[in-house]
Amino acid sequence: GDSVTQMEGPVTLSEEAFLTINCTYTATGYPSLFWYVQYPGEGLQLLLKATKADDKGSNKGFEATYRKETTSFHLEKGSVQVSDSAVYFCALRRGGNKLVFGAGTILRVKS
Amino acid sequence: GAVVSQHPSRVICKSGTSVKIECRSLDFQATTMFWYRQFPKQSLMLMATSNEGSKATYEQGVEKDKFLINHASLTLSTLTVTSAHPEDSSFYICSARGDRGDQETQYFGPGTRLLVL
Repeated sequence: GDSVTQMEGPVTLSEEAFLTINCTYTATGYPSLFWYVQYPGEGLQLLLKATKADDKGSNKGFEATYRKETTSFHLEKGSVQVSDSAVYFCALRRGGNKLVFGAGTILRVKS
Repeated sequence: GAVVSQHPSRVICKSGTSVKIECRSLDFQATTMFWYRQFPKQSLMLMATSNEGSKATYEQGVEKDKFLINHASLTLSTLTVTSAHPEDSSFYICSARGDRGDQETQYFGPGTRLLVL
């Protein structure tokens, strides 16, 4: 069945460091891919998405490119801030309603 | 963005009792609501999907008689864990999709932590 694998955390970075959180997926066909972020005490929020191969999703300085050849959707940000500290979830949706999530990666940014 | 609330945020109950968790869309009408369960260090697992006014669709392996879902209005869905046992302890998260913004986007509640003693 469909699955999403993302790097285990926590990831701890200093402010202004470069961030990469790896995400790979297994699915038939052409799923849509998503990154969600969960700040402390809040619900998951859609951060960015890509619906077809080579699409790049971007928001708030974060980017991820849909790579079908490597079945990946890695999240990147050039310069993280303390306010980016949160849990990041990679997810896919292959038709219909159902989102399939990765296990989440905790990001901690130190000042 | 759209706001989804859950109540309570945390609940502790005795084994054998039933617990009801509410999920509300505060500023939009939610035609579809989803209930997820999350174990520590694991991903969110979809339990069921409910459309307003109709019976919920449960994922394989989820006991419908154990986890009762009611989506009686366009702003409220409830999940009742019946005769709860310690293995039901988990983090339950709802999401809603409806007439706000991108109609494919799900808006998530903050979750409810259930501990069954």
